[in-house]
Amino acid sequence: NAGVTQTPKFQVLKTGQSMTLQCAQDMNHEYMSWYRQDPGMGLRLIHYSVGAGITDQGEVPNGYNVSRSTTEDFPLRLLSAAPSQTSVYFCASSYSAEKGNTIYFGEGSWLTVV
Amino acid sequence: GENVEQHPSTLSVQEGDSAVIKCTYSDSASNYFPWYKQELGKGPQLIIDIRSNVGEKKDQRIAVTLNKTAKHFSLHITETQPEDSAVYFCAASMGGTYKYIFGTGTRLKVLA
Repeated sequence: NAGVTQTPKFQVLKTGQSMTLQCAQDMNHEYMSWYRQDPGMGLRLIHYSVGAGITDQGEVPNGYNVSRSTTEDFPLRLLSAAPSQTSVYFCASSYSAEKGNTIYFGEGSWLTVV
Repeated sequence: GENVEQHPSTLSVQEGDSAVIKCTYSDSASNYFPWYKQELGKGPQLIIDIRSNVGEKKDQRIAVTLNKTAKHFSLHITETQPEDSAVYFCAASMGGTYKYIFGTGTRLKVLA
């Protein structure tokens, strides 16, 4: 039972570099999302998807790109990393795009931009 | 914009005592309120949730209460144990959307 799997767990990037955080779920969930977690600010929604081929912006989308070519995968791309993107990133999924379904989180990806 | 306020930000209790964490939401259309527990180095995990048509829900030592009129909901943990030490987040669904707004978290320390 893998659930929501994120890779890598830890990453250090130089300013200006690009990278992709991978997220996969094996629960056949429609809804997937990416959050960032910063001290004192809780979890903020970056991008989300209600199904394959459909994505939308969350609260803090700037500097990030997503795509959803399959139900299982929802990668998050940092286009040109900045120190302000140093954070912990969580991928999450749930059964339905309707509100009120349990969200399952991955274990997190710790990203440092120097 | 819509937001969820969570208090306190840190909470220390003696083992066996109760702990209460409170959240207030602003979106009157919110109808689902989950609580998550996050242990060090892990992702948040759902511990209990409540829907707007219910005023209280209990699961062993954990309970959640909801006051829709006042737009606040609370997490109650009784007979706390050291393994309850973690960061707890509340969240509220945003009416008419697929999104959730999270509180800023409460770090609970249970002292043995």
